[in-house]
Amino acid sequence: GNSVTQMEGPVTLSEEAFLTINCTYTATGYPSLFWYVQYPGEGLQLLLKATKADDKGSNKGFEATYRKETTSFHLEKGSVQVSDSAVYFCALSEMGGTSYGKLTFGQGTILTVHP
Amino acid sequence: NAGVTQTPKFRVLKTGQSMTLLCAQDMNHEYMYWYRQDPGMGLRLIHYSVGEGTTAKGEVPDGYNVSRLKKQNFLLGLESAAPSQTSVYFCAIDGDFQETQYFGPGTRLLVL
Repeated sequence: GNSVTQMEGPVTLSEEAFLTINCTYTATGYPSLFWYVQYPGEGLQLLLKATKADDKGSNKGFEATYRKETTSFHLEKGSVQVSDSAVYFCALSEMGGTSYGKLTFGQGTILTVHP
Repeated sequence: NAGVTQTPKFRVLKTGQSMTLLCAQDMNHEYMYWYRQDPGMGLRLIHYSVGEGTTAKGEVPDGYNVSRLKKQNFLLGLESAAPSQTSVYFCAIDGDFQETQYFGPGTRLLVL
């Protein structure tokens, strides 16, 4: 079946540092890939997505590129802020291209940014 | 959160008690999902629904039942709660463009 593996956390950075959170996946078909973010005490929010190979998703300074050859979708940000402290989840849709694809999540990575 | 509400926000149960979690949407989306979130395990799909009157099992359905009698509401039931069901439960709906799900704020459940 499908699976998503994220780098182990927690990740602790100083403000303005460069962020990378690794994500790799296993899928039988051609999934869509997502990054969701969960701020303390809240539900998950979509951060960015990519629906086909070589697509780059971007939002709020974060970006990730869908790499089919390495089955990866690593999240990056050039300069993190304290307000980026949250839990980040990589996910894929079970049925790429359909609007009722069930999401398969990675285990989540806790990011803490210090001033 | 795109009009997704969950009731209650927090609940403590004793082993063997029953309860129902309510997810309500004020959109007109067909697809609704129940997930549970546990530390180090991400979110796992419990049950989902692709329309009024339909339900289907997800990854971890045992111990839970669901109903979708009205399009706006998706209910998750625990008939006999167990400590292993202590978790945070999230409802999600399919968004207004392809493959994005909007999540509710969550229900924290503690089973003693």
